Amino acid sequence: GDSVTQMEGPVTLSEEAFLTINCTYTATGYPSLFWYVQYPGEGLQLLLKATKADDKGSNKGFEATYRKETTSFHLEKGSVQVSDSAVYFCALSGSQGNLIFGKGTKLSVKP
Amino acid sequence: DSGVTQTPKHLITATGQRVTLRCSPRSGDLSVYWYQQSLDQGLQFLIQYYNGEERAKGNILERFSAQQFPDLHSELNLSSLELGDSALYFCASSVGASEYNEQFFGPGTRLTVL
Repeated sequence: GDSVTQMEGPVTLSEEAFLTINCTYTATGYPSLFWYVQYPGEGLQLLLKATKADDKGSNKGFEATYRKETTSFHLEKGSVQVSDSAVYFCALSGSQGNLIFGKGTKLSVKP
Repeated sequence: DSGVTQTPKHLITATGQRVTLRCSPRSGDLSVYWYQQSLDQGLQFLIQYYNGEERAKGNILERFSAQQFPDLHSELNLSSLELGDSALYFCASSVGASEYNEQFFGPGTRLTVL
C-alpha cells in the first residue's frame, strides 16, 4: 500500500542553520504531497503542498519540490529560527482522500 | 486557530469503558476525517464522513464507530476501551472530499485509558 518514509529525529540545529528533512514515498498513483507542522500542544497545520511532479510548494521560508523520479519531497529552509521548533510530518493523499503520514521528525532549534 | 473544534480536550477513563469524542468542522466544510496519533503507530486515518454519509474507512477497530449529524458535527465512539487505545485523536475537516481539498485539523482530544 501507499506509504511515507521520513528521516528520524530528533534534529537539533543552531539558529540560522540550513534545514533538510528527507521524505520519500511509495504510491501506486500520482498523489498530492504535503508537509504538516505540529507545534507543542497543538493540532497539525498545513505548511506546504504540491499536487504534481516538479511542483514546488513554499511557505514561511520552507520549500519542497515534488520529485517523481526519486519519489521524494524533501523539506528545506535556508535559515531556521527558534520558533521553527516543532514536529514536521510528510504526508501523501491516499486513494480515499485521506492523508497518509510519515512518523514525524522533531526539530529543535537552539539560540 | 483552524476553526475546527474538538471536545473534550482531555479524557481519562478506565479499561472496558465507552467514550464519545466530538468534533465541529469549520463553517462550510462538509467532510470530516478522524485520525489517531499514538507513539506506536504514528498518525493513522480512521474514518471519513462527507455530508452525513460514511465515505472512507481506514484502520478503524470494530470497537470504534463514528457518525456525522445533519448539522455536520461528528462524533467518534470508542467502546470496550483497552490500554492501547490511549492516544491523541484528531478531527480534520475540508470543504469537499477530494485529495485537493486542504484538511484543517482540530487541537485533538487526548484519551488516557487506565
